[in-house]
Amino acid sequence: QQQVKQSPQSLIVQKGGISIINCAYENTAFDYFPWYQQFPGKGPALLIAIRPDVSEKKEGRFTISFNKSAKQFSLHIMDSQPGDSATYFCAAGSGGSNYKLTFGKGTLLTVNP
Amino acid sequence: DTEVTQTPKHLVMGMTNKKSLKCEQHMGHRAMYWYKQKAKKPPELMFVYSYEKLSINESVPSRFSPECPNSSLLNLHLHALQPEDSALYLCASSQAELAIGELFFGEGSRLTVL
Repeated sequence: QQQVKQSPQSLIVQKGGISIINCAYENTAFDYFPWYQQFPGKGPALLIAIRPDVSEKKEGRFTISFNKSAKQFSLHIMDSQPGDSATYFCAAGSGGSNYKLTFGKGTLLTVNP
Repeated sequence: DTEVTQTPKHLVMGMTNKKSLKCEQHMGHRAMYWYKQKAKKPPELMFVYSYEKLSINESVPSRFSPECPNSSLLNLHLHALQPEDSALYLCASSQAELAIGELFFGEGSRLTVL
């Protein structure tokens, strides 16, 4: 099964709070887990990505946590800002091929001022 | 600013029209992609070009016809579309099809079929 299940579908957070988005996968062949951020009227842009040989990757306020045994990974946005309001897609790829990226259904994040 | 440029940004066409979407990148990437995105949905892969050759067609109807004139350009020719084809069409590129890495997306062409 190639699915990537993403939750929640939508999320409202106060400015300064922590936003957490979760994804789960079934295919153990996946070996690349990117998160894309998409603002209205724009194309998706890579936010951060992780390979399964590490359990956590941090870039600024954005952190991916990866649990290989549970086949889950999550995005944490610390000190969330109104400018972070966007749709976030997790994805998973395998086989050394970009085109096999399987996207989650997306999470609409709203950060209130 | 995105380094993948798509034109036009908006397109309205009738079901009998013929139109084209264009995409350009100057990053030296050898893989280029067309994705379709409906509102509040993730991008869906349509076509992949690798080294200017079509390598993947995700069972896309023939009313969509891709073309890769050179390594920097990607076109999507549209003919006899249906209203349900209205969507955001995204072009993307990456260094190579067989290398895991970042997909660079353009801002998309929003297509409305009347």
